[in-house]
Amino acid sequence: EAGVVQSPRYKIIEKKQPVAFWCNPISGHNTLYWYRQNLGQGPELLIRYENEEAVDDSQLPKDRFSAERLKGVDSTLKIQPAELGDSAVYLCASSISRAPYEQYFGPGTRLTVT
Amino acid sequence: GENVEQHPSTLSVQEGDSAVIKCTYSDSASNYFPWYKQELGKGPQLIIDIRSNVGEKKDQRIAVTLNKTAKHFSLHITETQPEDSAVYFCAASATTGANSKLTFGKGITLSVRP
Repeated sequence: EAGVVQSPRYKIIEKKQPVAFWCNPISGHNTLYWYRQNLGQGPELLIRYENEEAVDDSQLPKDRFSAERLKGVDSTLKIQPAELGDSAVYLCASSISRAPYEQYFGPGTRLTVT
Repeated sequence: GENVEQHPSTLSVQEGDSAVIKCTYSDSASNYFPWYKQELGKGPQLIIDIRSNVGEKKDQRIAVTLNKTAKHFSLHITETQPEDSAVYFCAASATTGANSKLTFGKGITLSVRP
């Protein structure tokens, strides 16, 4: 069974530029999460989707971050414009709705903002 | 909200010895406690989890114990091997309500000396 797929794996951009990350969850997983992991820290939730509905986006900085999950499968996380402090690893995870706490993570996208 | 702490931040053991990693949590409503292993350049991998209705769970060389009264839980790895070297994260979550999201600790770096 294929795991969570993310792309790109690495991205280097200059500040004020836009950037987007893509995630394809495990087949059959209705719940999708985006996390940010700063160096030396644990993952922190940005947004959680149940199918195509964002049910928890309280930690998403909405002035510059946006996310979508069209058709309840793939998801995209966007930052516009990027700031130096956005440098981090952005992780996508998914779970089966009836076991929402067994989350499976993708490899992440390492973003460097210069 | 929930606060999860891990101590120590690094742990070094000799191959074949046991390793114990401890976590504390603050929210008595938390009832789900997973452990994740993260290798360099990869996403966190779920290795074992425990729910508050049990005190201990084992899976081959790893086990997790939970003390709800003291609000702490521990990961036990026996017969450690060099491939156990990684960063280990504990997390806690309530399964309902406002705190129904995983809160991660900062992680502990385990080094197994051959």
